[in-house]
Amino acid sequence: DIVMTQTPLTLSVTPGQPASISCKSSQSLFHSDEKTYLSWYRQKPGQAPQLLIYEVSNRFSGVPDRFSGSGSGTDFRLKISRVEAEDVGTYYCMQTIQVPLTFGGGTRVEIK
Amino acid sequence: QVHLVESGGGVVQPGMSLRLSCEGSGFIFSDYTMNWVRQAPGKGLEWVSLISVDSNTQYYADSVKGRFLISRDNAKRTLSLQLNSLRAEDSAVYYCASSVITRSGLERSFDYWGQGALVTVSS
Repeated sequence: DIVMTQTPLTLSVTPGQPASISCKSSQSLFHSDEKTYLSWYRQKPGQAPQLLIYEVSNRFSGVPDRFSGSGSGTDFRLKISRVEAEDVGTYYCMQTIQVPLTFGGGTRVEIK
Repeated sequence: QVHLVESGGGVVQPGMSLRLSCEGSGFIFSDYTMNWVRQAPGKGLEWVSLISVDSNTQYYADSVKGRFLISRDNAKRTLSLQLNSLRAEDSAVYYCASSVITRSGLERSFDYWGQGALVTVSS
């Protein structure tokens, strides 16, 4: 199974400041079709997860451009350029290159 | 607007069964691979199962293999999960989620999620 490791566990951020979350996979997520199967989700408190980013760096429909994803192979990052109050929640990375599909353990983002 | 609505959650005793359903609307249900993901109280997300558009391919997490059965009815736009031989550790919110398939046949991402159905296994 591919293990997804996220850091940090918790991030406390002042509104307007940037935030960054790391996600590392135990195997490369790069496929021979030249796509990398890494996506990011935000789960606001009491809600279902929502897709933010797919294939490392593609923002899903309606996702603000303050969210960006980067990385390759086994090392990925989600960045929020200017954190807003509504960004509170837990963020997860997920790999879809191999079954079983696996999520990172989550990073909780709090507002200072 | 895409909607996924789960139903069928509840409280059951260990060893008993339960059937979850997920009804889709606002998109072409038969074009999407469908998944179940669960989240135990206070814990992270765990993928449970997926089913291909034509139902020919199903995969399960090892933790549920042999006990859970995924199915779909494209005509009724409904995804189901039959949960058998339930254990306390199966207690969780169960989400259905749709995914786009790439040309390689892999799931790109879980684009849309339902609001979840709570399953509690307790004596």
